[in-house]
Amino acid sequence: DTAVSQTPKYLVTQMGNDKSIKCEQNLGHDTMYWYKQDSKKFLKIMFSYNNKELIINETVPNRFSPKSPDKAHLNLHINSLELGDSAVYFCASSTAETQYFGPGTRLLVL
Amino acid sequence: SQQGEEDPQALSIQEGENATMNCSYKTSINNLQWYRQNSGRGLVHLILIRSNEREKHSGRLRVTLDTSKKSSSLLITASRAADTASYFCATDVAGNTGKLIFGQGTTLQVKP
Repeated sequence: DTAVSQTPKYLVTQMGNDKSIKCEQNLGHDTMYWYKQDSKKFLKIMFSYNNKELIINETVPNRFSPKSPDKAHLNLHINSLELGDSAVYFCASSTAETQYFGPGTRLLVL
Repeated sequence: SQQGEEDPQALSIQEGENATMNCSYKTSINNLQWYRQNSGRGLVHLILIRSNEREKHSGRLRVTLDTSKKSSSLLITASRAADTASYFCATDVAGNTGKLIFGQGTTLQVKP
């Protein structure tokens, strides 16, 4: 039933580790996004893919690498995690102007 | 600098009252959208207003857009405790297809 799902919901890890967050949408949308929401609730776009092709790549450290194996999935891999990476990461998808968000992955780097 | 800025940052009202939130932005837009975020959840789309529209209604929501002032407002009438959430405006910047820039949100508390 879930339109946009993310796993895991919570992720607690040590500095320097590598981790991945997965996102899947069953809405048939062509475009998917990754956003980062900081502790002040500021939401900033990181990446966008359209039909598996990268179309938006904001100024994000190259430790962050998105991967879209098909248009229903957009995963986010983060290398060498830093304290400042602690945030909530949201996946979203869209077919036109409206975006549909996943429930978020709360990442805490210790 | 941030595209969308919202005012007030926090708002507390009694159930039944109206709540008004404002959003200002800096550049030309294709449309402006409002989203709601309940605590610990993802964002949910509420309403979209295009750059050539001035006002739009959806249920208890009323959105206005003034492109000359680069501002928008969201009015929630007859508020309910269930309206307690953070509300974000997001601008679809002209020339940037699909890229939404979000404000920092207004946290609304509706007391029963």
